[in-house]
Amino acid sequence: GEQVEQLPSILRVQEGSSASINCSYEDSASNYFPWYKQEPGENPKLIIDIRSNMERKQIQELIVLLDKKAKRFSLHITDTQPGDSAMYFCAASYTGYQNFYFGKGTSLTVIP
Amino acid sequence: EAAVTQSPRNKVTVTGGNVTLSCRQTNSHNYMYWYRQDTGHGLRLIHYSYGAGNLQIGDVPDGYKATRTTQEDFFLLLELASPSQTSLYFCASSDAGGWNTEVFFGKGTRLTVV
Repeated sequence: GEQVEQLPSILRVQEGSSASINCSYEDSASNYFPWYKQEPGENPKLIIDIRSNMERKQIQELIVLLDKKAKRFSLHITDTQPGDSAMYFCAASYTGYQNFYFGKGTSLTVIP
Repeated sequence: EAAVTQSPRNKVTVTGGNVTLSCRQTNSHNYMYWYRQDTGHGLRLIHYSYGAGNLQIGDVPDGYKATRTTQEDFFLLLELASPSQTSLYFCASSDAGGWNTEVFFGKGTRLTVV
């Protein structure tokens, strides 16, 4: 199966600054890359995703970039707020898979 | 919103004990998954299923059995629980297997094996 590496595992940023989380994958066939946010004590929820026919996607303060040649994708949170403090998971998949492969997660803390 | 309900939410059992975790989804989704979440390991797939009666092995299946009795219900069985199985377990469902589809997670079951 696919292998997804996610870095950093822990990230602390000042409120109002940007936060970046990077993921890499191994299988060039992967073509769907979602990001999940898990708030403390809650279940993971989808916040943004990108497909392989795109290089960039933005939803409000969330930006996802995909570099297929390098097999890397990243999440950027601009103007971070305390409510952005959570665990974030990247994942990779493709039409031939029957499941998703998750990274190990990044614990983001936004310092007021 | 899509609903995935897990029970129990918390469970304590003894080493060697028998535990069943239950999951029901009302999303009419084909795929259901069992993950365990551990610090430093993220979400690891135990078993999954793409329909009633179907079972597929995930990445960390040792010590676990699963059964999909209906479209809605997916069970995870630990027949001889060990302390290494102390974890937070998530059930999830999705409409399709791996493309362009959201995975909906339950609230989780925290299992402690003493």
